[in-house]
Formats: sequence, C-alpha cells, structure tokens
Amino acid sequence: EVQLVESGGGLVQPGGSLKLSCAASGFTFSGSAMHWVRQASGKGLEWVGRIRSKANSYATAYAASVKGRFTISRDDSKNTAYLQMNSLKTEDTAVYYCTSNGIWGQGTLVTVSS
Amino acid sequence: SYELTQPPSVSVSPGQTARITCSADALPKQYAYWYQQKPGQAPVLVIYKDSERPSGIPERFSGSSSGTTVTLTISGVQAEDEADYYCQSADSSGTWVFGGGTKLTVL
Repeated sequence: EVQLVESGGGLVQPGGSLKLSCAASGFTFSGSAMHWVRQASGKGLEWVGRIRSKANSYATAYAASVKGRFTISRDDSKNTAYLQMNSLKTEDTAVYYCTSNGIWGQGTLVTVSS
Repeated sequence: SYELTQPPSVSVSPGQTARITCSADALPKQYAYWYQQKPGQAPVLVIYKDSERPSGIPERFSGSSSGTTVTLTISGVQAEDEADYYCQSADSSGTWVFGGGTKLTVL
C-alpha cells in the first residue's frame, strides 16, 4: 500500500524545537522529492519546503516564513523524511503534512504555546 | 514568487456543474494541481498537470487551462463533493504555491 505516515508532533513552548518524521512505503522513496505542507486551524494550505532526491543533490527549498529556522532532511535507507523545526513561534501551530507524488500523510499536529 | 487566486466559495445544486477557477501570472509555464479536502481529512489529489485525473478519481472531475487561468470542473455534482478545493503550482525553482482555497457548497 502506498502511504506516508507522519509522527513527532506535540506541544512545545515558543523558542523550542521539534523534529517531525515522515515514513514512506509502497513507492520508490529514494527517487522522489518530499514536501512538507502545513495548515493552521481553519486556514488554507501553506507550503513549508521540500527536499529533492539524491539524483538532484538532495536540494532543499523553504518558504520565507520558515527559512533559517526549519531544516528538511531524508534517510533513503529508512524511507523517511524529516522536518527539524527550531526557534518555534506560536504562528507555527498547525497540522503538518508530508506529501510526495500526489500522496499525502494523515498529518501531525504541532502546537506552540506557553 | 507569485500568488494563486481562487474564489472563496462556490455553491451549486446537486446534479449541476461546479467550476472553480485559479488564476496567476505564472501559470502558463507551470502545471497546476487540484486537491480536495474534507473536514478533518488530509488533502486528496483530484487533478494533476492541469487536466490529468489520478486513478480512482471519478470522471466527473476534470481540469482545463486557458491563458493565466486553470479551472476545476465537477460535472453532475454530488453531495459527497462538498469540500474545500485548493489549486497548487510551482515556480521555476520548484517552490510550491497554493491558492487560498474554495469552499464548495452543495445546496
């Protein structure tokens, strides 16, 4: 079965860090770009960033709102992508999805609050 | 960077045709994608590369492109089609952009 499963969400204080994981199965993970998208409650979809495949030098790109604070990485041996989030702000509170090739995970909730 | 503009809402009666537009100045050079999202669920891809339909998506969903506007058309709308719909495209560096979303209401 083709699927993506996110994990690692939770409650974190402003200024804190959190690392999300996205485990892939059922497709050729190593050859696929992986994207992270977030959605604040009642709001629209916001692209966070992406990492390309090894063939594309694992190139990363980020939205301006997270650049310098968030880092996307991947471990092709584990079919897993990661989103490292540092210096978190209350406005980063959202459901975070990973997506690739039209497939979306179920999302994981990140709440930044004191 | 650029923006994708969608109408906030569209309303249709069951059996009618719903058309949701998405406009931007960069669309002619990049493909557009459409996602359906129901409350509490992850988005689902319904159209890719402007007009291609993934397997498992009903034939009543179609996409088209004209100039700087792409359109998602749902023919013979059913109650189960009530959802938020988002268009998405990318700039030349592969950075994604989403439209603001359109709430489709089936009257």
